[in-house]
Amino acid sequence: DIQMTQSPSFLSASVGDRVTINCKASQNINKYLDWYQQKHGEAPKLLIYNTNNLQTGIPSRFSGSGSGTDYTLTISSLQPEDVATYFCLQHSSRLTFGSGTKLEIK
Amino acid sequence: QVNLLQSGAALVKPGASVKLSCKASGYTFTDYYIHWVKQSHGKSLEWIGYINPNSGYTNYNEKFKSKATLTVDKSTNTAYMELSRLTSEDSATYYCTRCELRRAPYNWFAYWGQGTLVTVSS
Repeated sequence: DIQMTQSPSFLSASVGDRVTINCKASQNINKYLDWYQQKHGEAPKLLIYNTNNLQTGIPSRFSGSGSGTDYTLTISSLQPEDVATYFCLQHSSRLTFGSGTKLEIK
Repeated sequence: QVNLLQSGAALVKPGASVKLSCKASGYTFTDYYIHWVKQSHGKSLEWIGYINPNSGYTNYNEKFKSKATLTVDKSTNTAYMELSRLTSEDSATYYCTRCELRRAPYNWFAYWGQGTLVTVSS
């Protein structure tokens, strides 16, 4: 099974900061990597699919990049409403989630 | 509009079973695979498995093969997950979610149920 290593597990940043979250797969996942945002008490929400495709309705400050085994979610200018936990998900071979990154505002 | 409505919270005794439901609406139920995901309190997400609502074919994460049973009722557009021989380790929120691509098992998930909290306690 493919393992996903997500980092950091916790991130504190200021409004307006550029924020990056990383996921590393145990093998090549051919860009089949998605990013989800989960706010407290809610279901996960799709942000990015297949590495760099922005889901409809998601603000353009969110972007994704990567290839092979290494992938990144970037928030270009952090907003207060971005406080949440972020997960990556590979769907190249079955499904594996990353361990999550809890993002807070400094 | 696509909607997945899950059953309410459940309090169950150790050793018992529980059957969770996920009622789909707003699309052709048999065209899209349904997956189930576990989230233990404060922790990450674990994939349990999926069901093809058209054929009933299922595929499970090895970890949940003897724990979860996925079924569907096409007459009511409802997916079910039964969890058996419950222990405290099964206390969690369980989500159903729908694949985005028709008739494909593994892709991304734009639609999620609201989650069902299962608490295992005597």
